[in-house]
Amino acid sequence: DTEVTQTPKHLVMGMTNKKSLKCEQHMGHRAMYWYKQKAKKPPELMFVYSYEKLSINESVPSRFSPECPNSSLLNLHLHALQPEDSALYLCASSQDRRYEQFFGPGTRLTVL
Amino acid sequence: GENVEQHPSTLSVQEGDSAVIKCTYSDSASNYFPWYKQELGKRPQLIIDIRSNVGEKKDQRIAVTLNKTAKHFSLHITETQPEDSAVYFCAATNFGNEKLTFGTGTRLTIIP
Repeated sequence: DTEVTQTPKHLVMGMTNKKSLKCEQHMGHRAMYWYKQKAKKPPELMFVYSYEKLSINESVPSRFSPECPNSSLLNLHLHALQPEDSALYLCASSQDRRYEQFFGPGTRLTVL
Repeated sequence: GENVEQHPSTLSVQEGDSAVIKCTYSDSASNYFPWYKQELGKRPQLIIDIRSNVGEKKDQRIAVTLNKTAKHFSLHITETQPEDSAVYFCAATNFGNEKLTFGTGTRLTIIP
């Protein structure tokens, strides 16, 4: 398996909902990343996990909560989001922090 | 922190002609420079990258050049084809800090 997969592809949620995004890779990569991408903008880093430990949090609001249950899986738990959080959420992975990052297809999130 | 500027923001090229996209970076410690291609609604896809110990790298119709002294790097696409139409992002990082800083993107349109 040479890809990063993400589920769901699309998600619509209300501001009071709790939902989770899932990212999976089976390439043996030890670094995993969450990015947020707004239309016509570059990906914006949110979190980095290196060897299953959170190594970077780019001052992301606490309504976004990352989790790395094991080396293949990365979750992003969402709670009490705002409409401006609507975006494409991309997961990426790399062999470790010294290597190129490969992106998943993303989850298109709409907050109503 | 690192700052990456990318030009032009849009570029239209006749099919078969060459396209050049330029980026400058601010942090002289940056040592890895990937280029990503993102088609509409798709994931960013790594198309070529260069490390700071190399001045140029080619892969078929795509090449990247790096000038460490001037702190700029460029993407060259020759014999352009309609499927080259996409948004291209440059990025820079010092592998020691794990964070990839993206340029603002170039929308490339190939005119048949």
